[in-house]
Amino acid sequence: NAGVTQTPKFRILKIGQSMTLQCTQDMNHNYMYWYRQDPGMGLKLIYYSVGAGITDKGEVPNGYNVSRSTTEDFPLRLELAAPSQTSVYFCASSYGTGVSGNTIYFGEGSWLTVV
Amino acid sequence: DQQVKQNSPSLSVQEGRISILNCDYTNSMFDYFLWYKKYPAEGPTFLISISSIKDKNEDGRFTVFLNKSAKHLSLHIVPSQPGDSAVYFCAASAGGMYSGGGADGLTFGKGTHLIIQP
Repeated sequence: NAGVTQTPKFRILKIGQSMTLQCTQDMNHNYMYWYRQDPGMGLKLIYYSVGAGITDKGEVPNGYNVSRSTTEDFPLRLELAAPSQTSVYFCASSYGTGVSGNTIYFGEGSWLTVV
Repeated sequence: DQQVKQNSPSLSVQEGRISILNCDYTNSMFDYFLWYKKYPAEGPTFLISISSIKDKNEDGRFTVFLNKSAKHLSLHIVPSQPGDSAVYFCAASAGGMYSGGGADGLTFGKGTHLIIQP
């Protein structure tokens, strides 16, 4: 079972460059999320989506954009990368309804360094 | 303002003993709580959850206790094993377990690094 798959696993960006983190899930989950985790901190929500065509800002959306053209895919785009965006990024998904609907399943993470 | 607090950055426990990880929250709207386990260079994996209508949920060696009046939950691992060494995150949702809420995701604590000593 693939679950949530995100790429790339590691990336070094120069200040001002742009890139897209890819995320796909094969669990037919309605909800998808992007979190970032800074050293010694918990995970913070960047953007989320409750279904194809719908996206919303989370706690720390500045400097990022997302799209949700299909149920499976939820790419995260960084425009004009800044050192403050050096972090570990986690894509996640959840079914969203029912008893365990709020249980979120995570990908393995993408380590991004901006220099 | 942190809504979910894990005040112990690390905890060391001897193999075979009980590990108790604590979590406090401030938002009274939270009604679903989860524990995640994270190994280095991997994503968090779901461990166990509890809804606000319960005060205890057990799954094998893992038990989560919820004290709503104190806004406190704890994760008990017994007996502790070397493979339990990891960072444990407490998380909470205000979405409502049955309502399909939680669309805005979970609020996480900073994590507790559990070290199981042989």
